[in-house]
Amino acid sequence: KQEVTQIPAALSVPEGENLVLNCSFTDSAIYNLQWFRQDPGKGLTSLLLIQSSQREQTSGRLNASLDKSSGRSTLYIAASQPGDSATYLCAVETGANNLFFGTGTRLTVIP
Amino acid sequence: DTGVSQDPRHKITKRGQNVTFRCDPISEHNRLYWYRQTLGQGPEFLTYFQNEAQLEKSRLLSDRFSAERPKGSFSTLEIQRTEQGDSAMYLCASSHFRGAGTDTQYFGPGTRLTVL
Repeated sequence: KQEVTQIPAALSVPEGENLVLNCSFTDSAIYNLQWFRQDPGKGLTSLLLIQSSQREQTSGRLNASLDKSSGRSTLYIAASQPGDSATYLCAVETGANNLFFGTGTRLTVIP
Repeated sequence: DTGVSQDPRHKITKRGQNVTFRCDPISEHNRLYWYRQTLGQGPEFLTYFQNEAQLEKSRLLSDRFSAERPKGSFSTLEIQRTEQGDSAMYLCASSHFRGAGTDTQYFGPGTRLTVL
């Protein structure tokens, strides 16, 4: 069974810092990996989707990388802002056509 | 706003009662997913539909749970004889499936269920 782990569980950084969130998964037979953002009590917002044949995707200050063979992904956030404070979830899509989620990293950016 | 909508946003019920949630996906999205999320955890897959066909159900979906998407548009998730362990956020997502690994799932705001 696919298991997704995210480290760290929580992270606090001062505004302006660059930071990296980590995600690992146990079964490399994935179709894609996605990063989501979740604000407290809200639904999920898709940030980036990396297909299994791709190595990275970029959107604005966000860059996500994928190393499928080692079962790892990172989400890099440049020049963090207080508005980036949220829980960041990674999820992998398997041949079962559904997403397996990690437990998330709760990010706090301190003004 | 033409995003995924869910109704109600909050539901408080007593143990043993039945509840029904509704999800309206993004128009023309052929896939609709249901997930459950408990506090401090990531969402867990429950079931999904392609058009009106329910193609997969998780073992988390006990026989007290039933989901429908009768016309391939909106979907309902019913929980019968609710238990305190059913308390969670129920999330709906939709996507325009074009092929494995290519579709982004768009999530609704969720329905928070509290069973007393």
